[in-house]
Amino acid sequence: GENVEQHPSTLSVQEGDSAVIKCTYSDSASNYFPWYKQELGKGPQLIIDIRSNVGEKKDQRIAVTLNKTAKHFSLHITETQPEDSAVYFCAASPRDNYGQNFVFGPGTRLSVLP
Amino acid sequence: GAGVSQSPSNKVTEKGKDVELRCDPISGHTALYWYRQSLGQGLEFLIYFQGNSAPDKSGLPSDRFSAERTGGSVSTLTIQRTQQEDSAVYLCASIKGGGQETQYFGPGTRLLVL
Repeated sequence: GENVEQHPSTLSVQEGDSAVIKCTYSDSASNYFPWYKQELGKGPQLIIDIRSNVGEKKDQRIAVTLNKTAKHFSLHITETQPEDSAVYFCAASPRDNYGQNFVFGPGTRLSVLP
Repeated sequence: GAGVSQSPSNKVTEKGKDVELRCDPISGHTALYWYRQSLGQGLEFLIYFQGNSAPDKSGLPSDRFSAERTGGSVSTLTIQRTQQEDSAVYLCASIKGGGQETQYFGPGTRLLVL
């Protein structure tokens, strides 16, 4: 089955700097890769996603890149702000897989220091 | 509109007792997931409901865990004879169509087994 690894587990950056979180997946059949942000005491919330037919997607300060050959994808946050502090989860979704459609990485705790 | 709601928000119970956790998905969403999130960890898939299809129970850790979804809407996760290792946050998520789409998470139920 699919296995998703995520690095780093913790990341501290200065406000205004960029942050990059990387994930790798094992199942070449996976074709959908969402990123979720979880703030303290809340459930995860989708912030951006990418499908395997594109290599990059951007939404304001957030971007995701996908390398299908290497089976890895990354989240990029530019001009970080204190409110970006949270735990970020990547996920991979294997094609045509009923049930456990999403396999999540272990998470990255991002701290943006003022 | 209203998001996914879960109740109770917090539950403290004694080892050996049974607990029921409730999830109200977004109205009209056909698919529903339960996940377990241990302290500082990622999301562990438990069970998946899609419409009237048989649920995917492959993630349930033992036969003490069971779940129902009545009328294609509200879901209840039951843990019998709770153990201390069951202490975690239990998250519910719903998806409109059931495929590779955005999962909308509830705030979770924090379960503590003493």
